Amino acid sequence: ETGVTQSPTHLIKTRGQQVTLRCSSQSGHNTVSWYQQALGQGPQFIFQYYREEENGRGNFPPRFSGLQFPNYSSELNVNALELDDSALYLCASSQQGLGTEAFFGQGTRLTVV
Amino acid sequence: AQSVAQPEDQVNVAEGNPLTVKCTYSVSGNPYLFWYVQYPNRGLQFLLKYITGDNLVKGSYGFEAEFNKSQTSFHLKKPSALVSDSALYFCAVRDMRVSGGYNKLIFGAGTRLAVHP
Repeated sequence: ETGVTQSPTHLIKTRGQQVTLRCSSQSGHNTVSWYQQALGQGPQFIFQYYREEENGRGNFPPRFSGLQFPNYSSELNVNALELDDSALYLCASSQQGLGTEAFFGQGTRLTVV
Repeated sequence: AQSVAQPEDQVNVAEGNPLTVKCTYSVSGNPYLFWYVQYPNRGLQFLLKYITGDNLVKGSYGFEAEFNKSQTSFHLKKPSALVSDSALYFCAVRDMRVSGGYNKLIFGAGTRLAVHP
């Protein structure tokens, strides 16, 4: 098991609502990334935070936003939920550096109805 | 464009037989390649990576992967499969289009490995 923990594990929301997902990084890791994994697909990069600032973003609209805190924990916020936002959301922590591997949490399964 | 392809949706193998899960990539420059495994209702677990050096990389749980630059491939292998190896396997490549230690990974669609007793 990695030291990356996510909460909650499951969540059901109604279309149009807002949701906040949380992630606690592995000790010693200063970078956190969020991925969306739709059913039957590989994870898709949402964004990355380093030293509390977003330093990279994938092809996701602005209603997907995030925060990283001084203790390197992180939040993913999604506003105006759509049915297509239903997915497994994965948090990954790592050290900065191209050759470093990312360690993933168990994910949060979000269902939008 | 940078991408990863896993040409097989599913691989079936008998327990005790060798297994191979295929991955090909397309990147600019030298690739940084990774393999992850996902068990049902779980996150991704890191198996191994290729950064530089020997083309044969050894990883967790007896898995290894062979990097082939001329064929742009990074196939995952194991000499003797176990039923417990049954899971979803993802190949990933580091997105090199952004500098500064940017940790974005580009994943393939995944290959389901089924090991039969």
